[in-house]
Amino acid sequence: SAVISQKPSRDICQRGTSLTIQCQVDSQVTMMFWYRQQPGQSLTLIATANQGSEATYESGFVIDKFPISRPNLTFSTLTVSNMSPEDSSIYLCSVGTVSPRDNEQFFGPGTRLTVL
Amino acid sequence: GDSVTQMEGPVTLSEEAFLTINCTYTATGYPSLFWYVQYPGEGLQLLLKATKADDKGSNKGFEATYRKETTSFHLEKGSVQVSDSAVYFCALSDGTSYGKLTFGQGTILTVHP
Repeated sequence: SAVISQKPSRDICQRGTSLTIQCQVDSQVTMMFWYRQQPGQSLTLIATANQGSEATYESGFVIDKFPISRPNLTFSTLTVSNMSPEDSSIYLCSVGTVSPRDNEQFFGPGTRLTVL
Repeated sequence: GDSVTQMEGPVTLSEEAFLTINCTYTATGYPSLFWYVQYPGEGLQLLLKATKADDKGSNKGFEATYRKETTSFHLEKGSVQVSDSAVYFCALSDGTSYGKLTFGQGTILTVHP
């Protein structure tokens, strides 16, 4: 298993500002993922972040709005840019095993973001 | 595209009652199926999984069987406890995109003493 921490755990931000969320893993992992969980809804994958390459974004998410960094095998950041109240969500990072057939993901505790 | 549909919630039960949370899926190929649980104030935890048809995943008294013929992965527990109160998510991985999970909408379970 993997132990994942996120910072900050929660924040309240003003419209138009940006917030960078950090994700730290206690072991080296290849695959890291960023999800969004809007209030009362399920999780939606934002992007997949692999070390040494650009992140791969899902439909409906773009790099200008959600830039991601993956400088090494234990760390990643997600920035929520030019925020609006619609960005109020819980943002979660997760890490996955190498084999897609035996896929198991471990999730961080999440960052609860409120945009006023 | 892939999708997961869970039964509408919230679900409210008395302690020791039988639990079923329905989950059906749509996917091409042969997905792996998962149940995740989110306890109040905590992150998601993997509860159980099944990677091929007729597999049964089990953990903490919960069970789910991968039914390819009905494209279902219903979660069951014979006797729930107050500590089982949480949000339960059914999810699938299509096996072709490393780690990409598609989640159902989640079902809130509340168990009363």
